[in-house]
Amino acid sequence: EPEVTQTPSHQVTQMGQEVILRCVPISNHLYFYWYRQILGQKVEFLVSFYNNEISEKSEIFDDQFSVERPDGSNFTLKIRSTKLEDSAMYFCASSVGRGARPEAFFGQGTRLTVV
Amino acid sequence: RKEVEQDPGPFNVPEGATVAFNCTYSNSASQSFFWYRQDCRKEPKLLMSVYSSGNEDGRFTAQLNRASQYISLLIRDSKLSDSATYLCVVAREDNFNKFYFGSGTKLNVKP
Repeated sequence: EPEVTQTPSHQVTQMGQEVILRCVPISNHLYFYWYRQILGQKVEFLVSFYNNEISEKSEIFDDQFSVERPDGSNFTLKIRSTKLEDSAMYFCASSVGRGARPEAFFGQGTRLTVV
Repeated sequence: RKEVEQDPGPFNVPEGATVAFNCTYSNSASQSFFWYRQDCRKEPKLLMSVYSSGNEDGRFTAQLNRASQYISLLIRDSKLSDSATYLCVVAREDNFNKFYFGSGTKLNVKP
């Protein structure tokens, strides 16, 4: 069965550095998402991407964050000038949207540790 | 008011027990409903979608009550492997830009 893949599985970075988290969504899906989950807390929405542009973003997704779909297959989340509180699991997801199976499928996540 | 609210848990049950989780959603425009399962430090995995008429998949039964804006998940004959956090997830009608997550209900099945 097709799946969403994310790399790396674990990223350790120093505070103030930039990181890029990568995702390959399921190929026929149209909506792409980034969610994050701080350890012990709920899954939080960051941003969605549809038709090559951001379709919705949360208040968490400020100027520190950006997303890109550079080549039609990859979907990246860039975090500039990382802070300690950015440490979390970051999940990429994709969905066909409207249709028989509108559910979102999640990648295995990238654990980001900011030190 | 939160978009999606769930029983706080944890639910500690013996093997073989039947356990039910509840979830309420606040926006009547919500159209698509799902239960996901999340193991510790893993990604959410789709357990089942919830359809208007209710649906069953083996030991799992999901129900939807639109009038009360309420979703439930029933697990029969609990197994040790059912221990996980169960997430109620909702999407609005004609808007798949965001899936709304409940905070999850933790289930511990004990031998």
